[in-house]
Formats: sequence, C-alpha cells, structure tokens
Amino acid sequence: GAGVSQSPRYKVAKRGQDVALRCDPISGHVSLFWYQQALGQGPEFLTYFQNEAQLDKSGLPSDRFFAERPEGSVSTLKIQRTQQEDSAVYLCASSSPSLLAGVADTQYFGPGTRLTVL
Amino acid sequence: AQSVTQLGSHVSVSEGALVLLRCNYSSSVPPYLFWYVQYPNQGLQLLLKYTTGATLVKGINGFEAEFKKSETSFHLTKPSAHMSDAAEYFCAVRTGTASKLTFGTGTRLQVTL
Repeated sequence: GAGVSQSPRYKVAKRGQDVALRCDPISGHVSLFWYQQALGQGPEFLTYFQNEAQLDKSGLPSDRFFAERPEGSVSTLKIQRTQQEDSAVYLCASSSPSLLAGVADTQYFGPGTRLTVL
Repeated sequence: AQSVTQLGSHVSVSEGALVLLRCNYSSSVPPYLFWYVQYPNQGLQLLLKYTTGATLVKGINGFEAEFKKSETSFHLTKPSAHMSDAAEYFCAVRTGTASKLTFGTGTRLQVTL
C-alpha cells in the first residue's frame, strides 16, 4: 500500500471495556512496531514483530495489553479492561531490512489511533 | 540502555531565522540516530537519519544534523525557517539495525512572522 494505515483513527471507550486497534503495514514490510504516545510525550515502544513472530514485548505495560500478527501482515493491538491511564495515541510503524550493510532501516509510521478512556 | 534528551520543549523562531533543535543521547554502543517530525493529528515522518559514514546528514525540507560522538549530540538545524516548519520534532536513538526506537520528549517549533 501507499503507507501504514491504522483504524479506527479515534476510539472512545468506557473504563473496563475491551478495545482492538488495527494496523495495516506497508505491503512487504517484515517488521512491525507498536508505540504508545501519551499527551505531550514522545512515543514509547510497546512491542515488535518480525513477520508473525513477536520478538520483543518488553514495552507492554501490563498483561491487559496483547498484540498479534497471525499472518505476518496486519496486526491488532488489544487492550482488555481499559483504564483511564491507557488514554493515548497508539502508533504503528513498519519497516523492511535495508539493502546496505550497517544501515538501519527506516520505520514508517501510521497516523495513529487516539484512544480516550472515560 | 539508551536514552535521548531534547533540551527545550518549545522553541520559537522568526521566519527566515536559523532553526536549532538540540538532541543528546546516551548509548553504550554506537547508535543509529533519527529525527522525525509530527504535524497535528498525523504520524511521524522521517526527516533524516545517521547510521554510518558521513557525520553531517542532510534530510528533507532543508534540514540537516551533525553526529558528534565526543559530545554525544545530534542537533537538528535549518538555515532559514519557514512557516510550514511549525510542528513537533522528535529525536530518536536505536542500537542494532532492526530494533525499537527510543524517543526524546519532543520539541515544539513555533515560527512567527
């Protein structure tokens, strides 16, 4: 596709509800990242996939957060029993390995999903 | 562990003036360094990145940054600000070729007439 897309763009949830956020990466991109951006802060890493394998989930703040990428393309970030502190913008990024040795690949970001928990 | 410090959460410059956004990093291994720009209600767009080679990196929209290992800095500059440069700017560091980015807290650039 033309870029990383995310849906929904805005989500309002009542405290205690479950939510699911979707990310469609750039076609062919192997790596997929989720970040959480609180108001006035920089993005913070949540989790990372290489194809369908979740290689790093060290940033997930609690066991209420769960991410999957079952076919190595689309990914879903699920938050169970949402709390007010989960309110943030959730950013997805994808990348493909650089063809140049020692050159880091570029992560391309989607527009984000703004989650508001009331 | 790696970290990024962006000095100045808000920077205001006049149109046509020099833009200087500061970034210092901490990393135990040679870092990869990035500057991203974020416009309201949009995702992050890469301005430029340093991985290997020349320490002065040129990016899009006339921005450039210089990697100074001795100062652990990667400051972003632009000779002449334009109104369209008003946005939030994030510096980020990464170790390894395919791993997570660690971001600073961001600097909001305001451009005045």
